[in-house]
Amino acid sequence: QVQLVQSGAEVKKPGASVKVSCKASGYTFTNYDITWVRQATGQGLEWMGWINLKSGDRGYAQKFQGRVTMTRNTAINTAYMELSSLRSDDTAVYYCGRVGGSVDYWGQGTLVTVSS
Amino acid sequence: DIQMTQSPSSLSASVGDRVTITCRASQGIRSDLAWYQQKPGKAPKRLIYDASSLQSGVPSRFSGSGSGTEFTLTISSLQPEDSATYYCLQHNNYPPLTFGGGTKVEIK
Repeated sequence: QVQLVQSGAEVKKPGASVKVSCKASGYTFTNYDITWVRQATGQGLEWMGWINLKSGDRGYAQKFQGRVTMTRNTAINTAYMELSSLRSDDTAVYYCGRVGGSVDYWGQGTLVTVSS
Repeated sequence: DIQMTQSPSSLSASVGDRVTITCRASQGIRSDLAWYQQKPGKAPKRLIYDASSLQSGVPSRFSGSGSGTEFTLTISSLQPEDSATYYCLQHNNYPPLTFGGGTKVEIK
């Protein structure tokens, strides 16, 4: 069965970077894009960007341009999202999702807390 | 970019009620719309894809309709376990993806 398993919760100081992983199983990794979405406490879902796992092509929401980098390691079926220059308002749960038209499978989420 | 306007932002209804949630796209998106249910502390769960196709395993009381710019999610007979927040997502001009603002459904 398709599974996306994300790395564990992180606590970071303002100005630091965080790298969240998303390990896929149960399907051919490079056949689908991975997208990243975040959700601050009590807020809605915010799209961050995508990566094509075969070509490595990627694109980011304008809000995150210059601060986010999405990568992948096809040898271990894992996608990554790195967010730099963290601020307190980056505190959120970060989700990876498989793009099958819409998002058909989601990771369990990774809580990133930014606090001094 | 396409904007998705979802309404209402919250509602309260009784068990057995028929509930309708609407998403309006800022431009036509054919049927490239999905609906998700999210419960606290959990990832979203896809209920409907391609505007009206029921995701496998999802109860038949959930249905979706619409195309172009107007879309509806209907719960035909609200159950206690349907208490959640619901989101629409358009993927017509992916990337980007655009979510609606969400509708919180509470049980009276």
